[in-house]
Amino acid sequence: AQSVSQHNHHVILSEAASLELGCNYSYGGTVNLFWYVQYPGQHLQLLLKYFSGDPLVKGIKGFEAEFIKSKFSFNLRKPSVQWSDTAEYFCAVNADSGAGSYQLTFGKGTKLSVIP
Amino acid sequence: NAGVMQNPRHLVRRRGQEARLRCSPMKGHSHVYWYRQLPEEGLKFMVYLQKENIIDESGMPKERFSAEFPKEGPSILRIQQVVRGDSAAYFCASSPLWTGAGTDTQYFGPGTRLTVL
Repeated sequence: AQSVSQHNHHVILSEAASLELGCNYSYGGTVNLFWYVQYPGQHLQLLLKYFSGDPLVKGIKGFEAEFIKSKFSFNLRKPSVQWSDTAEYFCAVNADSGAGSYQLTFGKGTKLSVIP
Repeated sequence: NAGVMQNPRHLVRRRGQEARLRCSPMKGHSHVYWYRQLPEEGLKFMVYLQKENIIDESGMPKERFSAEFPKEGPSILRIQQVVRGDSAAYFCASSPLWTGAGTDTQYFGPGTRLTVL
């Protein structure tokens, strides 16, 4: 069975600070990796995804994530956060193929609060 | 371009009542997934449906929960005789197709927050 761990429950940063949110997964096979964001009162939006190829993935709004296979990690980064980045961030994984690969397994989420 | 729609956004029920949660997928999407988020937990897969078919309900509780996706109209997640432990956020997602690989992106709705008194 797959599992996803997000290390931080709540992160508070000042504007312009750099951001790194940790995500580790547990699964024995090939995986696809996702970061979703949920702004207050809105739906989950896809920030970025990794399927294969370059392990450094760039997403929307200046976010990027790096897949490190040896560490089973897919950390999310942004060099300079803005107040509008205040949201909850979810890391998710699914198996690359096979029965049930559509099932996304989510971490518990990290709430990011950016102080102006 | 409307995204995935869910209603109601908030639903309050007393123990023993029924809850009906609706999900309209994005235009052109024929695959629907339901996830549940309990307090302080991540989203957990419940069920995967195509039009008029339940493909995988392995994440659904065995009793009181059912889901459908009729030929016409939204997908419905139905919870009979709700209990306090059913209080959670229920998210619906849709995708245009499923190729058998895990690379089909799922687009999520805003969720329905169910509170059972």
